[in-house]
Amino acid sequence: DTGVSQDPRHKITKRGQNVTFRCDPISEHNRLYWYRQTLGQGPEFLTYFQNEAQLEKSRLLSDRFSAERPKGSFSTLEIQRTEQGDSAMYLCASSAVGRVNEQYFGPGTRLTVT
Amino acid sequence: ILNVEQSPQSLHVQEGDSTNFTCSFPSSNFYALHWYRWETAKSPEALFVMTLNGDEKKKGRISATLNTKEGYSYLYIKGSQPEDSATYLCAFLGGTSYGKLTFGQGTILTVHP
Repeated sequence: DTGVSQDPRHKITKRGQNVTFRCDPISEHNRLYWYRQTLGQGPEFLTYFQNEAQLEKSRLLSDRFSAERPKGSFSTLEIQRTEQGDSAMYLCASSAVGRVNEQYFGPGTRLTVT
Repeated sequence: ILNVEQSPQSLHVQEGDSTNFTCSFPSSNFYALHWYRWETAKSPEALFVMTLNGDEKKKGRISATLNTKEGYSYLYIKGSQPEDSATYLCAFLGGTSYGKLTFGQGTILTVHP
């Protein structure tokens, strides 16, 4: 397995546009996490899935954000009506249930909202 | 709200210098403390997972210690090399976190040749 992958790696969009990011976890991992890192901050938890079920969402995840993990494989994170404050690095990580100390991160998607 | 703090925020050292960073975290509901190295344009890479009070772990020139009673961990780099330049992140994992990591803000290390 080649690890966690994310696509695209960079996205520049205009304010008000919708964007969608994809994360492909390590194939046997049933937990998938999304984090967001803004300038000068560490990554902050957004949401996580166990298989296809979204089990928790952070208060950081406004109504404009939606995440899915159909069939418990890849996940998508969509941001509607982007705002400049959404500019950040969006990271995805995966792990197996019961192995929370073995988390693997993707390289992230850098979003710039102009 | 969990508070995980790292210091310093950034550090510039010369090749060959030894350096250390600090991570402070809540001393209650502790499960593990993770250290990651994050190089530009790459995925964050796990360095250490510390679970027991008094743990000391080493990987080459990098080592880490853990004090869960007082809520801090140190990361040491001996004889820094330019390839050590990266952001070093610590992340707290609580006992009821279901794997959600709470990160510090990171220490940006630049090693000058």
